[in-house]
Amino acid sequence: GDSVTQMEGPVTLSEEAFLTINCTYTATGYPSLFWYVQYPGEGLQLLLKATKADDKGSNKGFEATYRKETTSFHLEKGSVQVSDSAVYFCALDRDDKIIFGKGTRLHILP
Amino acid sequence: GAGVSQTPSNKVTEKGKYVELRCDPISGHTALYWYRQSLGQGPEFLIYFQGTGAADDSGLPNDRFFAVRPEGSVSTLKIQRTERGDSAVYLCASSPGGSFTDTQYFGPGTRLTVL
Repeated sequence: GDSVTQMEGPVTLSEEAFLTINCTYTATGYPSLFWYVQYPGEGLQLLLKATKADDKGSNKGFEATYRKETTSFHLEKGSVQVSDSAVYFCALDRDDKIIFGKGTRLHILP
Repeated sequence: GAGVSQTPSNKVTEKGKYVELRCDPISGHTALYWYRQSLGQGPEFLIYFQGTGAADDSGLPNDRFFAVRPEGSVSTLKIQRTERGDSAVYLCASSPGGSFTDTQYFGPGTRLTVL
């Protein structure tokens, strides 16, 4: 079945460092791809999405490109802030449901 | 406007008891989803409503789990004869029209602990 695999955390970086969180997927067809974020004490929020191959989703300085050839949707940010500390989930949609990865916890040190 | 709300925020119960978890979707959203998030895992789909009817309940783990949405707005997830393995955060989400490309907006979740 369809699935999402993302790098295990926690990931700890210093403020202003470059961030990459790897995500690969297995799916039939061409699903939409998402990154969701869960800040401490808050609900899941959609961070960005891409609906077709080569699309780039972006929001709040984060970017991810839908790579069909490598079945990947890696999350990147050029300069992270302490406020980016959260759990990040890569996901895809299959019919009427979202299939999530296990999540990657990110700690940003001041 | 108000987001998705869920009550209670925390529920502690004993093994074998019955529990109900409530979800209030964003006003006007016709699609409503329930997910379950176990510790250290991503959310897993349980059931999807379009209006009052369950369009897809393939994620419900067994017949102890049931959900309703009688008036097409508020939904209740019901768990009978709870087991310790049911302990998790139960998430509700809603979206405007149920299109596969609509953004799903998540509530803060209900943390269920079965002792």
